[in-house]
Parts: sequence; C-alpha cells; structure tokens
Amino acid sequence: KNEVEQSPQNLTAQEGEFITINCSYSVGISALHWLQQHPGGGIVSLFMLSSGKKKHGRLIATINIQEKHSSLHITASHPRDSAVYICAVIKSYNTDKLIFGTGTRLQVFP
Amino acid sequence: DAGVTQSPTHLIKTRGQQVTLRCSPKSGHDTVSWYQQALGQGPQFIFQYYEEEERQRGNFPDRFSGHQFPNYSSELNVNALLLGDSALYLCASSFRFRTDTQYFGPGTRLTVL
Repeated sequence: KNEVEQSPQNLTAQEGEFITINCSYSVGISALHWLQQHPGGGIVSLFMLSSGKKKHGRLIATINIQEKHSSLHITASHPRDSAVYICAVIKSYNTDKLIFGTGTRLQVFP
Repeated sequence: DAGVTQSPTHLIKTRGQQVTLRCSPKSGHDTVSWYQQALGQGPQFIFQYYEEEERQRGNFPDRFSGHQFPNYSSELNVNALLLGDSALYLCASSFRFRTDTQYFGPGTRLTVL
C-alpha cells in the first residue's frame, strides 16, 4: 500500500466549479507539499503545509495532522487549472526526500 | 535566474544501452535529487547528491548511478537499459538538502525501445 494516497485519480469539471482533491497519508510527517504538474512534465510547488490552512489566489490547502489528511481546493475553476496535482510528504524521521502520491489529473472544460 | 535546467528534454534508446542525463541546479542551491516518474504514477526518489557524494538512495538497482560536480551540477547514469526504465526523469535542487524549498526541473523523457 502506498504511503501517500490521493483521490480522485481523475477529475473533470466545468469552468467555474469548486474542486476538491484529497490526500491521505499513513506515516508521521513534518510537512506536506501540494505540487502542480503540467503536460510536458515540469513540477511547480503550490503549497507547503505543516498545520492549518494556506490560501493563494483561488487555491486553498488544508491539513489535519491528527487525521493524516489534506485537501486542495480550487475555487472558480478555469481551463488553465487543468493539470496533474500531486501531494507529497516529508516524513518526520527522514526529512531529506519527498514521498509522492500518484497524482490527480484535473481537466476543466469551458 | 534560470532555475533548474535539465538536458536533454527527450531521449530514445534501445534495450541494453547506457544513458546519461544532466541537471543544473538553481543558482545558490547545492543539493540535487533525482526522481523517476513512470507514466500515470507519482515520482519515485532515486538518490540525492550533496557535496559531490550520494547522501541517500531510494529503492533502485545499481544500474542507476550518479555524480555531482564541483559546480553542483549532476548527472544520472543508467546502464543496461530495460523497457521499464522508460519514464520522465526529474531533477530537483535545494539548499543543504532541504525538502521544503525543492525546485524541480522540466524533466527528461526517456523512451527505451
């Protein structure tokens, strides 16, 4: 079983919809990243969280350490949000590498 | 600032061949980590280089090796290529092996025929 699980694997939405992507993990962590990967491969870090909630523009990320769960929300989704969103954790006892989920492929249609 | 750069962008090899991928870290960064991302999967950690030495290694065979140069750039070498080595290879750089500020390169797409 993967240490980091994401759901859903694939997600389609109409422009303007509110989107939620979930990430659950089974290990103790010091922090969690949400990353965006566009076609072609490059990865961009969106957020790093160790507690609570962060907001950047239309993106909101939350984390519940006790429940080992994080969510990424996109408000007023737009076709340019179409990408793969990846959750990655930094384990508490091995802080030097990221453990990735398999990603959620999001397609937003006009 | 050019950010993290990788070369080549695409590469096609045949089984049994050897390949070398290259990564230049973001300015000011001294640590390079390599990841393999198979189609439809999340990246998997291969190894990390700091001060020209391999600090950590993931669950990859010895066919995967690397090197870091004094200017902090890095190479990933894969010998005796297998079809299963076809993937996107990502390089990420950071300062003092910090994972909270890792910057990723665009990747090298390797196809093994």
